[in-house]
Amino acid sequence: NAGVMQNPRHLVRRRGQEARLRCSPMKGHSHVYWYRQLPEEGLKFMVYLQKENIIDESGMPKERFSAEFPKEGPSILRIQQVVRGDSAAYFCASSPGRPGEKLFFGSGTQLSVL
Amino acid sequence: GQQVMQIPQYQHVQEGEDFTTYCNSSTTLSNIQWYKQRPGGHPVFLIQLVKSGEVKKQKRLTFQFGEAKKNSSLHITATQTTDVGTYFCAGAVQGAQKLVFGQGTRLTINP
Repeated sequence: NAGVMQNPRHLVRRRGQEARLRCSPMKGHSHVYWYRQLPEEGLKFMVYLQKENIIDESGMPKERFSAEFPKEGPSILRIQQVVRGDSAAYFCASSPGRPGEKLFFGSGTQLSVL
Repeated sequence: GQQVMQIPQYQHVQEGEDFTTYCNSSTTLSNIQWYKQRPGGHPVFLIQLVKSGEVKKQKRLTFQFGEAKKNSSLHITATQTTDVGTYFCAGAVQGAQKLVFGQGTRLTINP
């Protein structure tokens, strides 16, 4: 009974490169959330997706960031032209039902931008 | 927008002492959840409170939801070194699409 799977665990990029973060929700879960966490800080909501739909992207920067959750395959958080300020831990969480239910988090991807 | 404030930001205690963290929302919540994140780990769900004035216990942990459903607290009795970590509250507003997390309280313990 695999939990939420995120990969890679660590990702190093140089400024200007692209970062792709993957998240496979728990089996049976159709709701995916992405959160960003800076060192010693809380979890900042970025985007909420269901299969093939972005439901709420109010926490995601308008430029360089995009997210998708295709019919088949994992959810992808894509950051184009990364800058040093993008360095953070990115957590994906899934839930089986409606918003407000408890979340199951993945182990996160630690993005470091050199 | 909805804000969830959590205090204190840090708490250091001697093993065996009690610990409390407090959470306040700017808006009335449909439910509040608590998560624990161990150092280097990911948040793990602890509990959800739904009813006004609700109190729930998990061994040495006591969770309360305020009467107005805008505040909550987590109290740990007689802390142990395994309690080390950051405790987050997260609030859900009726009709909202997401949980809003507090900044967390980082608990460290002197053995």
